[in-house]
Amino acid sequence: QKEVEQNSGPLSVPEGAIASLNCTYSDRGSQSFFWYRQYSGKSPELIMSIYSNGDKEDGRFTAQLNKASQYVSLLIRDSQPSDSATYLCAVHGSSNTGKLIFGQGTTLQVKP
Amino acid sequence: DTAVSQTPKYLVTQMGNDKSIKCEQNLGHDTMYWYKQDSKKFLKIMFSYNNKELIINETVPNRFSPKSPDKAHLNLHINSLELGDSAVYFCASSSGTENSPLHFGNGTRLTVT
Repeated sequence: QKEVEQNSGPLSVPEGAIASLNCTYSDRGSQSFFWYRQYSGKSPELIMSIYSNGDKEDGRFTAQLNKASQYVSLLIRDSQPSDSATYLCAVHGSSNTGKLIFGQGTTLQVKP
Repeated sequence: DTAVSQTPKYLVTQMGNDKSIKCEQNLGHDTMYWYKQDSKKFLKIMFSYNNKELIINETVPNRFSPKSPDKAHLNLHINSLELGDSAVYFCASSSGTENSPLHFGNGTRLTVT
């Protein structure tokens, strides 16, 4: 089992729709979770962090965390073509070395 | 500008050569990392340094040798380059606490021919 798993996609949604990106992780002791966005040929860019169970909203983005199910998700409301990118889920391992473990990323395509 | 900067942006070289990638951060972070991103976009940690001390060394061939002269710099030297080393290498930094995110440099695309 991979430490952090994501569906590689592509996930295709029409402009204005809600995009739902999912991620599961194996280390039950993990405490911090991040979503990064990576445009083609660019570096990963942090868009959301979440540390507690529940929802965290920032503009059009909502991160959801369920530690019991070892599940974290990202919702993007009113999706825009500019949201088309690869979204990387990242989890801090419980070893406290600062090591961030990434999933393989989900490619999102928002069609006008 | 405050940032993580790495050079060069592109590196094309032949098998068997030795090359280095440099990284510098002016964010005041204590921890720096090297990640490798393969053709399938999978980001995998290679090394991490905290205040010049090596704290993470994943299963990486010893042809790869990181060096941290101070906490703001982390360089990566690669000996005897192989075709399979072709990838994008990202430098990153963080404050090193458990909840801190990583801030990435722009990446170095290494192509070994």
